[in-house]
Amino acid sequence: DAKTTQPNSMESNEEEPVHLPCNHSTISGTDYIHWYRQLPSQGPEYVIHGLTSNVNNRMASLAIAEDRKSSTLILHRATLRDAAVYYCILRVDQGAQKLVFGQGTRLTINP
Amino acid sequence: EPEVTQTPSHQVTQMGQEVILRCVPISNHLYFYWYRQILGQKVEFLVSFYNNEISEKSEIFDDQFSVERPDGSNFTLKIRSTKLEDSAMYFCASSDPGLNEKLFFGSGTQLSVL
Repeated sequence: DAKTTQPNSMESNEEEPVHLPCNHSTISGTDYIHWYRQLPSQGPEYVIHGLTSNVNNRMASLAIAEDRKSSTLILHRATLRDAAVYYCILRVDQGAQKLVFGQGTRLTINP
Repeated sequence: EPEVTQTPSHQVTQMGQEVILRCVPISNHLYFYWYRQILGQKVEFLVSFYNNEISEKSEIFDDQFSVERPDGSNFTLKIRSTKLEDSAMYFCASSDPGLNEKLFFGSGTQLSVL
């Protein structure tokens, strides 16, 4: 499985934007970039995914570098509820493909 | 939004006992998964299941583990003879083949082996 690298932790303030980086220099052409998050004492939760183009949904935006070797998850206006561990995962969208979780980035939001 | 339901939320058992963890995936989903997370560690893949058979399993998923879809709604994980190191949060997940990019996870069953 292609590997991703994320900072162990990040901190931000409430109502400010947050940019969570992810490096995936060994990404292959069929790998989609997925982001999940895990709130305290809960199961992982899908956030967003993309292949080449930037993506937006109601939760976040995903900015993908032109060479696809890195990406950034953007939370436009963080709330206290966004405090979680954020995982950047590469996955081929074919069949029952597993997600391989790394350590992720623990995001702390200050009030 | 539909959700994956897991029962029980907590289970305590004695070492060597059998446990069955239960999951009700989202109704139109066809891909099913079990993951586990030991306290303070990464979420680890155990097994994926499709069309009534295992698609893939990890090294953790040895002969002590089995999965079953006994009817049209439940998906179970059985641990035949529990060990202390099986203590973990176990998450069930499911996905829709039409929207396979998104896995939906349950809230987990906390298994404590004494």
